[in-house]
Amino acid sequence: QSVLTQPPSASGTPGQRVTISCSGSTSNVGTNYVYWYQQLPGTAPKLLIYRNHQRPSGVPDRFSGSKSGTSASLAISGLRSEDEADYYCAAWDDSLSGVVFGGGTKLTVL
Amino acid sequence: VQLVESGGGLVQPGGSLRLSCAASGFTFTDYSMGWVRQAPGKGLEWVSFVTSTSADIYYADSVKGRFTVSRDNAKSSVYLHMTSLRAEDTALYYCTRSPTSGGSCYYDYWGQGTLVRVSS
Repeated sequence: QSVLTQPPSASGTPGQRVTISCSGSTSNVGTNYVYWYQQLPGTAPKLLIYRNHQRPSGVPDRFSGSKSGTSASLAISGLRSEDEADYYCAAWDDSLSGVVFGGGTKLTVL
Repeated sequence: VQLVESGGGLVQPGGSLRLSCAASGFTFTDYSMGWVRQAPGKGLEWVSFVTSTSADIYYADSVKGRFTVSRDNAKSSVYLHMTSLRAEDTALYYCTRSPTSGGSCYYDYWGQGTLVRVSS
């Protein structure tokens, strides 16, 4: 059972907009930045969103992050087949003095 | 930026292993470093984090007391010494770079991982 809660799966058709939620608590998402990672099949995770909504250079603006209270969301617009991957949210947890990850969401592009 | 892990392998329950991560392409002393693992077919699990001067070190509860993280800034390397290994420690262990000075999950680069398998 992960500390951060994500839906196990999500799907959409090419061109659609999909959102992935990440629910936490006051000790993690509610207090600290949220980060999102994309893991393409068979590869290492890659930083997608940092500090709630910032995009590293090279990440398309189709990807956006937001946070409100103890929940965060990753939105992907103009869905493409290459977006098919596992997505993880993460945050620092003040109570645990450590990092907590969501269980991951497998995105399928239909 | 390159992070290259090594040292993984097959070890018996109760055994020990030391993972290494050789960093290159950036000023190692400017960054904190972390370890994240992924059991086969499972999600990501944070393991440990060490700041640039080793002044602050953090561990997941699941490995506290059994794993020790260290770094050698002269060699641009970070290590994870694992003892009392259990079957549930079987995972791909990723070395990560963090551009922060305190405990964080801001990992901007990841290595390709080294596989640790704990089995008799």
